[in-house]
Amino acid sequence: DVKVTQSSRYLVKRTGEKVFLECVQDMDHENMFWYRQDPGLGLRLIYFSYDVKMKEKGDIPEGYSVSREKKERFSLILESASTNQTSMYLCASSHTDSSNTGELFFGEGSRLTVL
Amino acid sequence: GQSLEQPSEVTAGEGAIVQINCTYQTSGFYGLSWYQQHDGGAPTFLSYNALDGLEETGRFSSFLSRSDSYGYLLLQELQMKDSASYFCASTGYSTLTFGKGTMLLVSP
Repeated sequence: DVKVTQSSRYLVKRTGEKVFLECVQDMDHENMFWYRQDPGLGLRLIYFSYDVKMKEKGDIPEGYSVSREKKERFSLILESASTNQTSMYLCASSHTDSSNTGELFFGEGSRLTVL
Repeated sequence: GQSLEQPSEVTAGEGAIVQINCTYQTSGFYGLSWYQQHDGGAPTFLSYNALDGLEETGRFSSFLSRSDSYGYLLLQELQMKDSASYFCASTGYSTLTFGKGTMLLVSP
């Protein structure tokens, strides 16, 4: 059964803390993505990566960074968490030819609360 | 920029048919995808249209008109388990841009 696994389902952090969200996929996908989901705003792309050590900014990269040292793992980093980063974070992966299928595989999400 | 518009909420009864529309304004458009997300769950892929026309998968069908920058998801024989949020997404070369989602409420 193919899988995208996010390390933490729920996190509570304090303002200013450094936060790591980890994501691992077992499908040998080239592409990995981080989205955040907020009520009424849908899913917004933060960063994506199409290869190891490669990263591209999405629509809302401010306040975030990413790391992809291995093909199967894509980490989202909040250098100094702020309350407006309280959200559901969704990791996804796809094959390079996703433009032919439109299919992303999502993890279950990490709900982050910043106090 | 990229934007997709879809209704925020749709309500229908069990056994009914419902259509969720999506209009888009995007550059580098490859196709239109649809995803379903139950409350508290992960979005799951439903369908993809790269070409104009209707794609059917069981009770769900999806339609695309590139000339009108418009698509829809059609759900037939609605069941209670279809209550969920539905997202259209425009597919570019390597990324997807999502609409804000339509919450479908199926009543008994």
